[in-house]
Amino acid sequence: DGGITQSPKYLFRKEGQNVTLSCEQNLNHDAMYWYRQDPGQGLRLIYYSQIVNDFQKGDIAEGYSVSREKKESFPLTVTSAQKNPTAFYLCASSILLGEQYFGPGTRLTVT
Amino acid sequence: QQQVKQSPQSLIVQKGGISIINCAYENTAFDYFPWYQQFPGKGPALLIAIRPDVSEKKEGRFTISFNKSAKQFSLHIMDSQPGDSATYFCAAGYQGGSEKLVFGKGTKLTVNP
Repeated sequence: DGGITQSPKYLFRKEGQNVTLSCEQNLNHDAMYWYRQDPGQGLRLIYYSQIVNDFQKGDIAEGYSVSREKKESFPLTVTSAQKNPTAFYLCASSILLGEQYFGPGTRLTVT
Repeated sequence: QQQVKQSPQSLIVQKGGISIINCAYENTAFDYFPWYQQFPGKGPALLIAIRPDVSEKKEGRFTISFNKSAKQFSLHIMDSQPGDSATYFCAAGYQGGSEKLVFGKGTKLTVNP
């Protein structure tokens, strides 16, 4: 069963805590992406990675961090420095120069 | 220059009607224009995509029209069905570059039975 998995589907945290969102793909895709989705805002790019051990900031990277130690995995950490962390987070992957395919998303609620 | 403007924000269509969603971009370096369909609580799914070397691409009831000179592209859904009710996002990107996609803000489509 090939695809992109994100876990958990729902995540609740207290303000001031760091939280890590998981993204795994078994599609053998080189590139992986993290987006944030807020109502009426579309999808905004947080970080992306085109190769293991390398990643670039997207448009809204402040308050987030990532790692890419394995081709299959691209975890996202939402740090306490992120001012408005409550959102729907989407992970995507693609072959280089190919279409992006999205995972099912993680809804993070911080109170 | 990096924005993609999408309209309308919401759209209500009767079953069997035509749904039309429009997008406009500024950056002429964009060379890849996909459309995504998203159901509530799910990740977006690629619906159809077009490159600037063609003016139209059709897949079933879904058609993308592309106007390079006007820097506009649109999605037409023919014979709209209640199951098409979803949020649709247009995007623009560079297939030859960093592969970053810039997304429109989305159109919530409701097809009434």
